[in-house]
Amino acid sequence: AQSVSQHNHHVILSEAASLELGCNYSYGGTVNLFWYVQYPGQHLQLLLKYFSGDPLVKGIKGFEAEFIKSKFSFNLRKPSVQWSDTAEYFCAVNANTGGFKTIFGAGTRLFVKA
Amino acid sequence: EAGVTQFPSHSVIEKGQTVTLRCDPISGHDNLYWYRRVMGKEIKFLLHFVKESKQDESGMPNNRFLAERTGGTYSTLKVQPAELEDSGVYFCASSQARPGFHEQFFGPGTRLTVL
Repeated sequence: AQSVSQHNHHVILSEAASLELGCNYSYGGTVNLFWYVQYPGQHLQLLLKYFSGDPLVKGIKGFEAEFIKSKFSFNLRKPSVQWSDTAEYFCAVNANTGGFKTIFGAGTRLFVKA
Repeated sequence: EAGVTQFPSHSVIEKGQTVTLRCDPISGHDNLYWYRRVMGKEIKFLLHFVKESKQDESGMPNNRFLAERTGGTYSTLKVQPAELEDSGVYFCASSQARPGFHEQFFGPGTRLTVL
């Protein structure tokens, strides 16, 4: 069965610190990979996605993620976080053999101290 | 272009009552998905419609949950009778059917509280 594992449930950083959130998935076939973000009081928004091509994906607000197929990983990075990045981040995967239902990780709550 | 909308945004009901959640997908999106997040847990898939047909309902918890998508437009998810463990946030998402383009757009969710 497909699964997504996020390494950290809670992360606390100071502004300007670098961020890396780990994500590993379990699935042997061709997958689509996503990072979603949910800011306090808001709904899920897509940060970035990987379907094919360049494994280094750039998203909104300075975020990027790298797909490493051999490690089944899709880690999210940002060189310098801001207070406004405080949110919950979800790694997710879907695939055509699964009808494109999306499997989510448990989420990582990021708190950025001003 | 309007996004995915859900109604109501919040619902508080008592155990044993019935609640119906509604989702309006983005116009032209054939795929419609329901997900649920129970407090403190991950977001879990419930079911998938392609137009008016149920493609996959493997995530539906039990037969107290009934989803419909008459006419292939909006969808409803009815919980009858509701139990305490049904509390959570119910998300709807939609996507186009074009092969190779499978981003799902999520609605704001309905927060259901069963007392």
